[in-house]
Amino acid sequence: RKEVEQDPGPFNVPEGATVAFNCTYSNSASQSFFWYRQDCRKEPKLLMSVYSSGNEDGRFTAQLNRASQYISLLIRDSKLSDSATYLCVVNGKGGSYIPTFGRGTSLIVHP
Amino acid sequence: DVKVTQSSRYLVKRTGEKVFLECVQDMDHENMFWYRQDPGLGLRLIYFSYDVKMKEKGDIPEGYSVSREKKERFSLILESASTNQTSMYLCASTHRGTSDQETQYFGPGTRLLVL
Repeated sequence: RKEVEQDPGPFNVPEGATVAFNCTYSNSASQSFFWYRQDCRKEPKLLMSVYSSGNEDGRFTAQLNRASQYISLLIRDSKLSDSATYLCVVNGKGGSYIPTFGRGTSLIVHP
Repeated sequence: DVKVTQSSRYLVKRTGEKVFLECVQDMDHENMFWYRQDPGLGLRLIYFSYDVKMKEKGDIPEGYSVSREKKERFSLILESASTNQTSMYLCASTHRGTSDQETQYFGPGTRLLVL
């Protein structure tokens, strides 16, 4: 069983739509959670951290459900520039915090 | 501004060659990582390092070695390149802190083609 699982998509949505991605993780001892964004042929960059209480950054909302071991990302009012791959990342405890990446969910926003 | 640099954006090597990939970060980060990324497989951890001269195997260390002689530099070495090592290689670094402080800062990646 993969440690971090995501639906690869692609999610194909029109501009202005609301879209949500989920990510499940298997290690209940996981410490912290993140969403990264990766544009085509570029490196991943941090989009937002995911806190237990949920957090919002403009059109983006992230939620954590520890009981069911999943995190979610909601994007409202999608823009063409939101087209990218969204990576779910979970930090576990090692000597430091070793991240485990999901394989990513592809989002395509069309006019 | 946070910066992670990698020595090459594109590299073409022949089977059996020794390949060095260099990564440098200017943020005084303790932790450094090497990943490879392949279509459909996502990011896979090859090696990481918590400190100078320290290294730990990741999920797929076979065929690779690393070197960390200075805090800011982490090198990935392919002792004898093979075609199945054709991939995108990404270096990352993090500050050592609490779990939510250890976000990854990535270099731009090196696309390696082994012929």
